[in-house]
Amino acid sequence: RKEVEQDPGPFNVPEGATVAFNCTYSNSASQSFFWYRQDCRKEPKLLMSVYSSGNEDGRFTAQLNRASQYISLLIRDSKLSDSATYLCVAPSSGGYNKLIFGAGTRLAVHP
Amino acid sequence: NAGVTQTPKFQVLKTGQSMTLQCAQDMNHNSMYWYRQDPGMGLRLIYYSASEGTTDKGEVPNGYNVSRLNKREFSLRLESAAPSQTSVYFCASSDTNRESYEQYFGPGTRLTVT
Repeated sequence: RKEVEQDPGPFNVPEGATVAFNCTYSNSASQSFFWYRQDCRKEPKLLMSVYSSGNEDGRFTAQLNRASQYISLLIRDSKLSDSATYLCVAPSSGGYNKLIFGAGTRLAVHP
Repeated sequence: NAGVTQTPKFQVLKTGQSMTLQCAQDMNHNSMYWYRQDPGMGLRLIYYSASEGTTDKGEVPNGYNVSRLNKREFSLRLESAAPSQTSVYFCASSDTNRESYEQYFGPGTRLTVT
C-alpha cells in the first residue's frame, strides 16, 4: 500500500460548485498533514495545514479522520482560478524530516 | 526575501554529461530537499539534508550526489546523465525545529537528457 493515495481525477466542475477530494494515508502515527496546490509546470505551494480534526480557510476546509486514516479537502463556490492539481501530503514513516506527497488530484473548473 | 531559488530553470544534456543543479534559501531553514517529478507521478525524494553538514538518501538516490555547502545552499549533481533522469527537479526547504513541517519549494529545473 502506498503511504499516500489520492484519486487522480480529473474532477470537472462548473463555477460555483462544491467539490471534495479524499486522500488516504498508511502511517497511523502521523500527526500533521498538508494540502498543496500545484499549477501546471509550477512548483507546489502550501494551501493548508491539518493538525487536529481539521482546518478552515475561507472557501477551503480540510478535515482529518484518524480512525479511517484519511484527510479530505472541500472547496466551496469553486472559481476558475481553483483549477490546479491538489497534492495530499503526510509525514513519512521514516520521520518528520521527510514528507510523502500524493500523486495529486486534478481539478478543472469550467464556466 | 526570495524564498527558495534554483538555477538553471532549463537544461538540456547529452547522455553521459554531468551538471550541478543549484538551490539556495534565505528563510534560515535547517532542512533542505531535492525531489524529482515525472508526469503522472508524485514528487519523489532524491536526497535531503536535515542540517548543515548532513545528507541522507531519499527514495530515488541512484545516479545523484548532493552537497550541503552551508545552511543556505544545497546542490544536486548528476555525474553521468541518463535519459531516465529527464524530469523536473524541485528543491525545497523546511524549518523542522518548529512543530510544523511544511516545505517551501523553488520554481524547479526542467532537465532533458537526450
